[in-house]
Amino acid sequence: GESVGLHLPTLSVQEGDNSIINCAYSNSASDYFIWYKQESGKGPQFIIDIRSNMDKRQGQRVTVLLNKTVKHLSLQIAATQPGDSAVYFCAENMGGATNKLIFGTGTLLAVQP
Amino acid sequence: GAGVSQSPSNKVTEKGKDVELRCDPISGHTALYWYRQRLGQGLEFLIYFQGNSAPDKSGLPSDRFSAERTGESVSTLTIQRTQQEDSAVYLCASSLLGLASYTGELFFGEGSRLTVL
Repeated sequence: GESVGLHLPTLSVQEGDNSIINCAYSNSASDYFIWYKQESGKGPQFIIDIRSNMDKRQGQRVTVLLNKTVKHLSLQIAATQPGDSAVYFCAENMGGATNKLIFGTGTLLAVQP
Repeated sequence: GAGVSQSPSNKVTEKGKDVELRCDPISGHTALYWYRQRLGQGLEFLIYFQGNSAPDKSGLPSDRFSAERTGESVSTLTIQRTQQEDSAVYLCASSLLGLASYTGELFFGEGSRLTVL
């Protein structure tokens, strides 16, 4: 499968700090990217998306940056709160007729009060 | 209902038995996806439905796995002769249109946790 490893990368931040979660994607032809948040015992929830014709998109407290040159995606969370603690996944649409999203391994964000 | 509903939420079965997992997508959503998530890992694509047809079954791990969708609504994922390696959370997601639409947001259910003893 596309996921690897038993131990998720972990980012530990203090409440109120900004968080940056990084993701490398695999297919240079991918044209659509999404960040999802998954809390323990729940399904993933949409956070923000970005198309390949953009390099930055902002939402409420979140910003996604896309660098197509190095196939890198990042999610910035401003003023991180305890409720932001979760696993964050990036996903890419590999295009074509298949319309499937391929998910990255995920990063565990732990917010310290 | 208001969201994607999956059942059962938990299933414990013995190795070799068959299991069926059910997904009720959001009403009107034409696209439906099944993913598998092993403990502490990412989401592994299994199959994608557009309406009642499955243009992409490439993620099904073996011929023990099959899925169908009827009436552009409910989908069933069937695992025959279960193995311990099948233990995982099986997540279903739906979206209003395929990812070629203006938003590709997938709405996920809470998953069916399968444990094969």
